[in-house]
Amino acid sequence: LAKTTQPISMDSYEGQEVNITCSHNNIATNDYITWYQQFPSQGPRFIIQGYKTKVTNEVASLFIPADRKSSTLSLPRVSLSDTAVYYCLVGPPGGKLIFGQGTTLQVKP
Amino acid sequence: NAGVTQTPKFQVLKTGQSMTLQCAQDMNHEYMSWYRQDPGMGLRLIHYSVGAGITDQGEVPNGYNVSRSTTEDFPLRLLSAAPSQTSVYFCASSYSSLRGTAIYEQYFGPGTRLTVT
Repeated sequence: LAKTTQPISMDSYEGQEVNITCSHNNIATNDYITWYQQFPSQGPRFIIQGYKTKVTNEVASLFIPADRKSSTLSLPRVSLSDTAVYYCLVGPPGGKLIFGQGTTLQVKP
Repeated sequence: NAGVTQTPKFQVLKTGQSMTLQCAQDMNHEYMSWYRQDPGMGLRLIHYSVGAGITDQGEVPNGYNVSRSTTEDFPLRLLSAAPSQTSVYFCASSYSSLRGTAIYEQYFGPGTRLTVT
């Protein structure tokens, strides 16, 4: 499985756009890139998934360059409730997912 | 749909005791997995299953057993509890192949908080 590297922590302010970049140099051809969000004392929650180019849903965008060796999760206009740990995962469809340390995002008023 | 359910929510064991953490899903998902999460750490994969009758080891399988006799249930057994197994345990499930969607989303249960004294 491809190893992922992402910043340990990030700070932002309410209303700002937050971009979290994840590096995955050894991504395989059949791997998808998935981001999860976790609040304290809860299980992770799916945010967004992509294979290539750009994916957008109602809560986030995911940008994937052509070489797929990195990806960027973009959260528009964050609020205090977006304070959480964000995990970038790379793996085959429906296969085992290995979590890294994640990025702790702190949104300040 | 209830999604992924886990029981119990909390459990305290003494060293050497055994117990089974229950996990069930009602979404007809083929893939199920168990993770543990220690304080301040990411999730670590214990065991996973790609379908009934098929299980495999994850990153930290020692001290745990699993079986998958039905699609719905994936229990995790602690054979002889140790203080190092104090953690929060999460069960997750997903489809293992496309179902008319290109999204492979894993659904996580609420977790079981286990303390071993």
